[in-house]
Amino acid sequence: QAHLQESGPGVVKPSETLSLNCTVSGGSLSSQYWRWIRQPPGKGLEWIGNFYYSTGTTYNPSLRHRVTISVDKSRNQFSLKLTSVTAADTAVYYCVREFGFSSLWGQGTMVTVSS
Amino acid sequence: DIQMTQSPSSLSASVGDRVTISCRASQDIRNDLAWYQQKPGTAPKRLIYGTSNLQRGVPSRFSGSGSGTEFTLTISSLQPEDFATYYCLQHREHLTFGGGTTVEIK
Repeated sequence: QAHLQESGPGVVKPSETLSLNCTVSGGSLSSQYWRWIRQPPGKGLEWIGNFYYSTGTTYNPSLRHRVTISVDKSRNQFSLKLTSVTAADTAVYYCVREFGFSSLWGQGTMVTVSS
Repeated sequence: DIQMTQSPSSLSASVGDRVTISCRASQDIRNDLAWYQQKPGTAPKRLIYGTSNLQRGVPSRFSGSGSGTEFTLTISSLQPEDFATYYCLQHREHLTFGGGTTVEIK
């Protein structure tokens, strides 16, 4: 049974870079869609970006200029970097694996942007 | 960009009620639509994919329908564990979530 676990700092200062990792256990990064999705407190869900081995990365146009998603197969990790953060980036960040009938979400990690 | 308009934003219903939630896409998304359920403090859980395919393990009282720009999630007989927030998601072009529908106890 695959499992996803997000990790990273819970607090990031304004204008700095938010970095998160998603560690995959019981599965491989070599297939399926890998996504980052976030949810500001009390608000709805927002897609950040995808990684798929055959097509590479795609990003939310509203975040594209600040986002990098990458994969480290040797560590079985899927990563997110978001630059120049502001309070509007405060959210629970989820890593997600989906393809066809398969859907698996991490538990999410709260990131607060604050000085 | 494709916009997803979900309605209503909230509703009150009783156990046993039939509940319908709608999502409208700003352009044709074929059947590239999924529905998610989220309970407070937990990650969303996919219920339906490809407009009408029930996720494994999801009760059959949940169903999805539609095509093109109009989509519906139906709960045929609301159960106590179904009180939650529901989101639609289109993945025809990038991904866009609807604004969510909170189902509350009447």
